[in-house]
Amino acid sequence: DIQMTQSPSTLSASVGDRIIITCRASQSFNDGLAWYQQKPGKAPQLLIYGASKLTPGVPPRFSGSGSGTEFTLTISSLQHPDDFATYYCQQYNRYPYTFGQGTKLEIE
Amino acid sequence: QVQLVQSGAEVKKPGASVKVSCKASGYIFINYLIHWVRQAPGQSLEWMGWIKPASGNTKYSQNVQDRVAITGDTSASTAYMELSSLRSEDTAVYYCARGLGDCLGGSCSPDVHTFDIWGQGTLVTVSS
Repeated sequence: DIQMTQSPSTLSASVGDRIIITCRASQSFNDGLAWYQQKPGKAPQLLIYGASKLTPGVPPRFSGSGSGTEFTLTISSLQHPDDFATYYCQQYNRYPYTFGQGTKLEIE
Repeated sequence: QVQLVQSGAEVKKPGASVKVSCKASGYIFINYLIHWVRQAPGQSLEWMGWIKPASGNTKYSQNVQDRVAITGDTSASTAYMELSSLRSEDTAVYYCARGLGDCLGGSCSPDVHTFDIWGQGTLVTVSS
């Protein structure tokens, strides 16, 4: 299985900050990488797919990049309360599809 | 609007089976994959498998493939996930999710294995 490791596990930041979450894969692949946002008690929401494609309706402050074994999610200017949530990466390059352990974004 | 509505919470004893339903509306059911993803309490997400409703073809994670069956009823626009031989580690919220992009004819869009529409989740508790 491809192991996905996110860093950091927890991130404290303030409104207006630019933050970057990293996802590292145990095997290399090109662009079968997605990012999701999940709020407590809710289903995840797709933000980014194909490593860098923004899902329609998702604000452009979210962006994704990377290939190989390192991928990043960037939020250019944090908004409260919408962006304070847990974020997961997912690889869909090889079966079984796997997720990172999550990054919890908290208000500083 | 496009939505997936799942059946309600279940409490099961170890060794029993559970069947969760996922009713689609607002789009053409047979044109999109349905995936199942679960999340144990306080944990990350685990992909379980998918079904292509148009053909009934399925693909399962090897982690659950001996115990899971995903089926579809195209007349009811509903997918089902049945998990057997339940154990305490199966306690989780189970989600169905639609694959991004459609599958028309024999081919699917390249991003069908990401999940753009999710059900509300079904809590399955396994306890003696």
